[in-house]
Amino acid sequence: EAQVTQNPRYLITVTGKKLTVTCSQNMNHEYMSWYRQDPGLGLRQIYYSMNVEVTDKGDVPEGYKVSRKEKRNFPLILESPSPNQTSLYFCASSSTSEAYNEQFFGPGTRLTVL
Amino acid sequence: GQNIDQPTEMTATEGAIVQINCTYQTSGFNGLFWYQQHAGEAPTFLSYNVLDGLEEKGRFSSFLSRSKGYSYLLLKELQMKDSASYLCACVDSNYQLIWGAGTKLIIKP
Repeated sequence: EAQVTQNPRYLITVTGKKLTVTCSQNMNHEYMSWYRQDPGLGLRQIYYSMNVEVTDKGDVPEGYKVSRKEKRNFPLILESPSPNQTSLYFCASSSTSEAYNEQFFGPGTRLTVL
Repeated sequence: GQNIDQPTEMTATEGAIVQINCTYQTSGFNGLFWYQQHAGEAPTFLSYNVLDGLEEKGRFSSFLSRSKGYSYLLLKELQMKDSASYLCACVDSNYQLIWGAGTKLIIKP
């Protein structure tokens, strides 16, 4: 089944404790992206990647890191999480690097930073 | 600045028709998406419009007017399962997606 997977789905952590949210897609997609979604706000892009070893900042990259060492994986790293990073996070992928292609979203990771 | 406006919430009756509007102001325009998002779930693709006009896909239709910076999503024969948020997103001149905050649609029996 074609899908985007994220782990963990739920995470409660404390300020300053490094964490990684994994994202993997099995559709051989070139483009992958991370978003955060907060009440009353639209999806905001954190980072995106147009291909292996190519990553770029989105609208809200501060406090986050990413890597794209393999085509299928695009982990999101929070080196020192803070309470303002409490949010719902989505990973997404699409078949090409052009944004006008349909994006496929993972199930989401609900992160709480205490 | 870039901006996308959608109503925050709408209510409609099962079996009826509802139109969800989206207006946009972006630096350049390379198309507009509509996504559906059920509570606590991932967004799923509904439609993509880049040319003016109406595109129909079953019970859902999407309309675009580039000159007016306006789109709408039309849902017919509403079902309870259509209760969800509907997200409008534009592709700007840099081929990046700009997302609206979404419209929460409540369907009543």
